[in-house]
Amino acid sequence: NAGVTQTPKFRILKIGQSMTLQCTQDMNHNYMYWYRQDPGMGLKLIYYSVGAGITDKGEVPNGYNVSRSTTEDFPLRLELAAPSQTSVYFCASRSPGQSQPQHFGDGTRLSIL
Amino acid sequence: DAKTTQPPSMDCAEGRAANLPCNHSTISGNEYVYWYRQIHSQGPQYIIHGLKNNETNEMASLIITEDRKSSTLILPHATLRDTAVYYCIVRASFTDSNYQLIWGAGTKLIIKP
Repeated sequence: NAGVTQTPKFRILKIGQSMTLQCTQDMNHNYMYWYRQDPGMGLKLIYYSVGAGITDKGEVPNGYNVSRSTTEDFPLRLELAAPSQTSVYFCASRSPGQSQPQHFGDGTRLSIL
Repeated sequence: DAKTTQPPSMDCAEGRAANLPCNHSTISGNEYVYWYRQIHSQGPQYIIHGLKNNETNEMASLIITEDRKSSTLILPHATLRDTAVYYCIVRASFTDSNYQLIWGAGTKLIIKP
């Protein structure tokens, strides 16, 4: 079972560069999420999507953009990388239903130098 | 939004039951309690969730007090592979499209041989 797949696993960027973090899920889940996790902290929600073509901001959306053209894919875009965006990024998905749990990928470790 | 309070760290002997407490004194009547764990910076792994009643699955049991102000996650026979950070999370909203998880710092559980 592939579940939620994130690529790349590691990346180093220079300040001002841009990149896209990829996330794909094969569970036909409507809901998808992007989180960031700083060292020793819990996860913070960046953006989420309730279905193809529908996205919304989470707690910390500044500096990021998302799109959702298909059910399977939910890429996260960093346009002008800043050192404050050094973090581990996790993508998650879940099926509809009030209590359905979120299922996570293994993360992308991003360093901005 | 409800918040949770967990001890920062706990030890447990291998083979014994690990009991992880969580306080959520401001929880609302329609908010679920979720437990996830994170093993060595991997993606968070869903364990169990509940609303009012105690719950059990193949991984753990969740005991929720009658007033719902606290809960305990029980790993019945802890193994070394259960060493991880355990997060107790109360959902920020019961509305399906605005489902958010508010993450704290969790409890670092160390299983000792």
